[in-house]
Parts: sequence; C-alpha cells; structure tokens
Amino acid sequence: ETGVTQTPRHLVMGMTNKKSLKCEQHLGHNAMYWYKQSAKKPLELMFVYNFKEQTENNSVPSRFSPECPNSSHLFLHLHTLQPEDSALYLCASSQGLAGTSYEQYFGPGTRLTVT
Amino acid sequence: AQSVSQHNHHVILSEAASLELGCNYSYGGTVNLFWYVQYPGQHLQLLLKYFSGDPLVKGIKGFEAEFIKSKFSFNLRKPSVQWSDTAEYFCAPLALTGGGNKLTFGTGTQLKVEL
Repeated sequence: ETGVTQTPRHLVMGMTNKKSLKCEQHLGHNAMYWYKQSAKKPLELMFVYNFKEQTENNSVPSRFSPECPNSSHLFLHLHTLQPEDSALYLCASSQGLAGTSYEQYFGPGTRLTVT
Repeated sequence: AQSVSQHNHHVILSEAASLELGCNYSYGGTVNLFWYVQYPGQHLQLLLKYFSGDPLVKGIKGFEAEFIKSKFSFNLRKPSVQWSDTAEYFCAPLALTGGGNKLTFGTGTQLKVEL
C-alpha cells in the first residue's frame, strides 16, 4: 500500500471545464509535490509544498492552480486546459526537503484526458 | 541546470540474463541518487538510494547500483533478472544546492524480461 492516495484515478474533461485533483498522504510527511508524466518525456516537477507553503513553482501555466490546506492534503485545480495537458499527474510526499528526508513516496496518479 | 541521461530507452532480456542500466548526470556538486521503478499498473516506488559512504548500494529484489563520482554515473545492475522485473526504471539524481535541492528524473528505461 502506497500511503499516498489520489482521486480520481481517471478524469476526462473538456477545455472549458473546471475540475480538481486530490492527493492525500498518510505518512506524516511535511512536503508534497505535483508531477506531470507525459509519454516519452521525463517526469516534470510542477509544484512543491513544505509545511503547507509553496516553495517551488516550476514555471507552470496559471491554468493549473495548486492548493495545500494542510500537510496531508494537496489539490490541483484545473481550468481551461489544453489537449496537450493530457497526461498522468502524480502526487508525491517526503518527510522534508533535505538529505535523507527527501526520499519521495508516490501516489498512483490521475490519468487526465482533455478533449 | 542539472540534467540526467538514461541511455537505454528499451531493453529486452531473457530470464537469468544480467542487467545493467546506464545513468549519467551533469551536476558537479554534491548529489544524492535514487532509482525508482514502476511496475505495470502500479505506482512509482523507490528501488534504491545513495546518500554517502559505500558507493555500491543494494536495493530491493536483488538490485544494486554503483556511484562513480569521476564518471558522474549511477548505473543499476542485477546479476540475474526475472520475468517479474519487467517494469520502467527511472534514475533520479538530487542536486544539493544552496538555493534549494533539485530532484531531476530521467526519461526512464522500459525493461521487458522474456521467459
């Protein structure tokens, strides 16, 4: 069992829709991440949160809006997406952001299709 | 900026064959190194990691990797693969910088083990 859950597992949305992805970690970690995994491309880091504060935004378009209400939950709000945003969105968590605490645990991902 | 290169994108082996997957990174400073694995239909999970000390590290399921600092490499090895090792493998160096640690994933190597 992963300790990091993501819902929904699959999502199909139109370009004018608004939807949200949810991630929850049950590991007592303090840092959480959103990644985008596209076919034949490296895993792309999107956002990093540490103790609920955003510490990194990797030049992500504003149509992706993260929210971290507490250290256990992370959301990714989606609006006016483009077909090229179709991908697997992965959530991860780690104890911290330094040294041995940086080992990341991943959720199963949300497969997003934008039509 | 740091980059990571996994030279083999697709590898096909017979059971009991030996495996070596290459990983090279570009960062010249202090790094921690990870290999992650993604089995079909499952989430990304940690295979092994290097932080310091003995450059030969052992992970789960008989995998090992050797950190060669002079070659900026962290190749993954297994003496005798099994059908159940069929998966995608990702190398991920973590650059320890003064401005914040950066974890970068390679494009992955798809391993198929045939009976």
